[in-house]
Amino acid sequence: DAGITQSPRHKVTETGTPVTLRCHQTENHRYMYWYRQDPGHGLRLIHYSYGVKDTDKGEVSDGYSVSRSKTEDFLLTLESATSSQTSVYFCAISASVDSPLHFGNGTRLTVT
Amino acid sequence: DQQVKQNSPSLSVQEGRISILNCDYTNSMFDYFLWYKKYPAEGPTFLISISSIKDKNEDGRFTVFLNKSAKHLSLHIVPSQPGDSAVYFCAASEAHSGNTPLVFGKGTRLSVIA
Repeated sequence: DAGITQSPRHKVTETGTPVTLRCHQTENHRYMYWYRQDPGHGLRLIHYSYGVKDTDKGEVSDGYSVSRSKTEDFLLTLESATSSQTSVYFCAISASVDSPLHFGNGTRLTVT
Repeated sequence: DQQVKQNSPSLSVQEGRISILNCDYTNSMFDYFLWYKKYPAEGPTFLISISSIKDKNEDGRFTVFLNKSAKHLSLHIVPSQPGDSAVYFCAASEAHSGNTPLVFGKGTRLSVIA
């Protein structure tokens, strides 16, 4: 898993509650990413980071925020969860823009 | 507007035969292409990549071909094995531009039948 830990692995929450997913890496890689995977949509980028405190939006960023205060941690927050955010969330890391991404094992989030 | 397209949602191949997975892209600025394999309940795993300066890259049973004029790439698996049954994602980026993340296709589910 290239030293990537996602927590929690599974979470069930209610509509309207805040949720934070954590990605922790031990590779000291500069780039970190959050993707979501949904049937019929493949992997879609939510947010990414190219350094501590440097983040940018991806294709499906509405309803999500991120923070990266340390190289090793990248947090994804759903401020007020909605049922449309039920998904599997994957964190990924890479050393540079022309090196492969390595993914964690995902967090399955269910919003009821 | 999909920039990376995998038009075949699924593919079935007999064990020992060749599997060919296809991918088309629309962004002519893409210069770095990758294939990932994904098993259920696991994260995607990097398989093989190719940069736009090449038209072929091999790694064991896996070969990726790039046709820039057609904006098309393919992954060949020879010989196919039952353990190759998984979802395969094609991805691309504008690596020369700096901070541009990978864009993924929707995936093709490969089933290798023994």
